[in-house]
Parts: sequence; structure tokens; C-alpha cells
Amino acid sequence: ELKVEQNPLFLSMQEGKNYTIYCNYSTTSDRLYWYRQDPGKSLESLFVLLSNGAVKQEGRLMASLDTKARLSTLHITAAVHDLSATYFCAVEPSMTTDSWGKLQFGAGTQVVVTP
Amino acid sequence: DSGVTQTPKHLITATGQRVTLRCSPRSGDLSVYWYQQSLDQGLQFLIQYYNGEERAKGNILERFSAQQFPDLHSELNLSSLELGDSALYFCASSATSGYTDTQYFGPGTRLTVL
Repeated sequence: ELKVEQNPLFLSMQEGKNYTIYCNYSTTSDRLYWYRQDPGKSLESLFVLLSNGAVKQEGRLMASLDTKARLSTLHITAAVHDLSATYFCAVEPSMTTDSWGKLQFGAGTQVVVTP
Repeated sequence: DSGVTQTPKHLITATGQRVTLRCSPRSGDLSVYWYQQSLDQGLQFLIQYYNGEERAKGNILERFSAQQFPDLHSELNLSSLELGDSALYFCASSATSGYTDTQYFGPGTRLTVL
């Protein structure tokens, strides 16, 4: 069974500093997604990483994927209050076509950015 | 706004009852996915429909069922409800059958079982 582990589960950030969220997964996959969820709200797609070495950047967020290490990172540069949210990684198993679309989510990392 | 709509936003019901949650995908999307989000289980994939056919199944209880209609909207039916079914239920949609598709999530239906 595919397991997806995120750490840390809670991250208290100071404005202006840099932080990284890690997402490890247990089986072969080259498709990984990052989502953001604000309290009581839906999930917003941030990044789609579809190959080994993929790197995507949007504003202060940068995501990368290392399929050999089964690891994705979400790097936050110069944190600001607006980035306070819960961040989820999700892995799409790629072994068989039956597994396509069945996203397995990590537990989420709750980020709180304070001045 | 993702373009995925879900109704109702909130649902409060009693144990043993049956409810139906409704989802309309983004215009042009053929796949609909259902997820359950709870504090103890996190976000769990329940089921996927693609162009009216069941495509993939996850951790969906036998008391739960879903379908996708010819106009591509989907319904999730939950029956013999238990306290533990209280959760946020999300619907998501994607353009095709799921391979590398981004899934766009609706606002969710919060189900409370008393």
C-alpha cells in the first residue's frame, strides 16, 4: 500500500525566513501534486510535478521532485503571513492504469507565519 | 473558484439516515472524484467516475455508493449513517481519465451525523 509521509506536520514560521516541507512516499511514482488548504476551505492546486528532477516555482513557493529518492520538497522563501495554510502533497501511483487518478494524500503540514 | 460546485454546503442528519451529496464538475471535465476528509483519517480517495463509468475505487464503504449521470454531474449516496461518517466530503474533477491530470476540488459538503 502506498504511504505518503509529510514532515513536519506543524511549522511555525517567522516572516522573512526560509523553510522546507518534505514529502516522502513509499512506492514507484513520478507524479506528485502539491495543494494548499485554508481553514474551512477547499484544496487549491499549487504544483504538478510529473518527472524526476521536475522543479516548479510560483512566487515564494518552489517544489521539486526526486523520484529515485521518492521525495518531494516544498520550499518557502521569505515567508509572509499570507502563506499561512495547510499544505498537502499527494502522490499518484503509476504502476497500473487502474491506479491513475487515485491520489494518496499526506497528512498535511499546518503552516503558521508570524511577524 | 475552481469551477467545481457541490451542494449542499452543510448537512446535519441523524444516525441511520441516508443522504445524497451532489457535485457538478468543471465545464468540459469528464472525470469526477470523491474524497472524504476527517481529522482521524485525513484525506481519503473514495471513488472516481469517468464519462459515466466507474473508473477506480478506494476506501469506500459498502454503505456508500456513487454515480455519474449523462450530464456528467455526480452524486454520492451515504446510507445507514454512523457518527464516524461525519466529515468533509470533497468532489474533484479533471479533464480526462486521471493520468497526470490536475484534480480541481469543489468547496466541499460538511456532513454532521448526530
